[in-house]
This record gives sequence, C-alpha cells and structure tokens, in this order.
Amino acid sequence: GQNIDQPTEMTATEGAIVQINCTYQTSGFNGLFWYQQHAGEAPTFLSYNVLDGLEEKGRFSSFLSRSKGYSYLLLKELQMKDSASYLCAVPTDYGGATNKLIFGTGTLLAVQP
Amino acid sequence: ETGVTQSPTHLIKTRGQQVTLRCSSQSGHNTVSWYQQALGQGPQFIFQYYREEENGRGNFPPRFSGLQFPNYSSELNVNALELDDSALYLCASSLQGETEAFFGQGTRLTVV
Repeated sequence: GQNIDQPTEMTATEGAIVQINCTYQTSGFNGLFWYQQHAGEAPTFLSYNVLDGLEEKGRFSSFLSRSKGYSYLLLKELQMKDSASYLCAVPTDYGGATNKLIFGTGTLLAVQP
Repeated sequence: ETGVTQSPTHLIKTRGQQVTLRCSSQSGHNTVSWYQQALGQGPQFIFQYYREEENGRGNFPPRFSGLQFPNYSSELNVNALELDDSALYLCASSLQGETEAFFGQGTRLTVV
C-alpha cells in the first residue's frame, strides 16, 4: 500500500526560508510530486522528483532521498502569496500511468508579515 | 490557466439525489482522472479514464461512476448522494505515460 505523512500546519515569516517535509511508504516508486493549492482553487504543479538530490526552480526547491523515503520542499524569500496548502503526492501502485496520485493531507503554510 | 475546465463550479443537492459533474480535458490530453477532496484533506483518487474505459479505481463505492467521450471529455456520476459526499471534486487531464497532470478548478458539491 501507500502512505504519505506531512505536517498539518506551519507558520513562517515573510522573507524567511521554510522547509516542508514529507515521508512516504510505497510498494514501488515512480517519483514524487509537490503541488501548491490556494484556498478554494485547484492544485498547481510545483515539482517532480524521481532521482535522489535537490532540484531548484527559482525560489522553490525540492529534495528526494529514495533510500529514506523522504522528500522536502524548500521555499526561499517567502512572500505573502506563498500562504497556501502544499501537497506531497506519489503515483499509485497500479502500474502504468504516473498520474494516478496518492496525496498527503497537505501542509497549510501561513506566511506572516 | 491549465486549459482544463469543469462544470458546474458550485452545486447543492439533496441527500439521495444523483449528480453529474463534467470535465473538458486540455487539448490533446487523452487521460482524465477524478479526485474527491474533503475540507482540510488531500485529494483522494476516485478513478481514471483512458480511451473511453476505466483505467484504475480508488476506494470508492460503485455509486461513483464515470464516462469518457471520444473527444476525451469526461463525466463523474454519483448516485444516492450522502452527506459525506460533500467535497471539492477535481479532474486532472494528462497524456497517458506523461508525468504532469493538469487540474481543473474543481466543482464544489454540497449535499444537504
């Protein structure tokens, strides 16, 4: 089966750096996704990691360790608009398509002035 | 915008009724997945359609059913609505085998 754990809530200050962790248990591994979701809106794609290491994309970076079943999303130079829920997701173990996703509950990030 | 559109955006139904939600996939995308997202939770996979057939199903009862049409658009049907079916229903379109899925804005269903 699949299981994903991430913190429920986090608070950070504008301009700071925040790290959102995600641990997962899967019967196979075909990558890990991070999505951003603002209240009442659809999730938007942030990153996809399939190999170990850090991938940087502007202010956002994502890290993966397959041996530890661990990933984190790093947000730098926080802005108020970064206040949102951050969802960690892995593909299901049906095989085939990579877009049947199992999501964590999401981490609600509040950025304060 | 992702190019994935869902209708309606909001809907209120009474317990026991039936509902149909619609999704138009992004141009060229042949796969549609449906998710249910309860308040404060992550999306839960309902099922996926590819080439007009169901291609994998999550832990949802048979009263959740779907269709995919030749133009790749899709419908989600829910019979005998229950109060716990109140949620945001998301569809995501993609190309079979590709990494990224694009989500629509969702349909907020309220069952009273």
